[in-house]
Amino acid sequence: GAGVSQSPRYKVAKRGQDVALRCDPISGHVSLFWYQQALGQGPEFLTYFQNEAQLDKSGLPSDRFFAERPEGSVSTLKIQRTQQEDSAVYLCASIRQGNTEAFFGQGTRLTVV
Amino acid sequence: AQSVAQPEDQVNVAEGNPLTVKCTYSVSGNPYLFWYVQYPNRGLQFLLKYITGDNLVKGSYGFEAEFNKSQTSFHLKKPSALVSDSALYFCAVRGSQGNLIFGKGTKLSVKP
Repeated sequence: GAGVSQSPRYKVAKRGQDVALRCDPISGHVSLFWYQQALGQGPEFLTYFQNEAQLDKSGLPSDRFFAERPEGSVSTLKIQRTQQEDSAVYLCASIRQGNTEAFFGQGTRLTVV
Repeated sequence: AQSVAQPEDQVNVAEGNPLTVKCTYSVSGNPYLFWYVQYPNRGLQFLLKYITGDNLVKGSYGFEAEFNKSQTSFHLKKPSALVSDSALYFCAVRGSQGNLIFGKGTKLSVKP
């Protein structure tokens, strides 16, 4: 596609519910990143994939957070047993191999009530 | 650890005046520095980057940034601000895995 696509754009979850957020990177982009952006803050790194390999998950805030990219293209960020502090915008970005410029999706705004 | 700091939460400028949004960085080694802009309910859009070479980097929408190694700064500038430039601006440095480490952001408000 023309850009990074994320779905859903908005998600309201009841506390304790599981959610799955999807990211479609730009076709052919090898690197994929997930970020969490709390209200009024800059994006914080969550995890990084190169193709299907998850090379860094040091930013995931707890073991309730899980990400996968099984075929090296689409990625899913899953949050189990959501808590109110998980409310944030989740951003996905992809980078073409050999490049440094990251292209971001519009994000998914998660609200846990 | 690598980090960036944006000392101003908000910058107010009159349309037509020059603008500067400040950023300082802390890295080991040579920095890869970026500026992104975020409009309401939109994702981050790339403006410009410094990797190596000329200290003055030109980017999208008339923006430029000056890399200053001695002051560890990478301030964003534009000679003449537009009302449509009003948005949230983020400075970032590249981390060891290629991830971006962002500042907290600066809200730019350009008034007519």
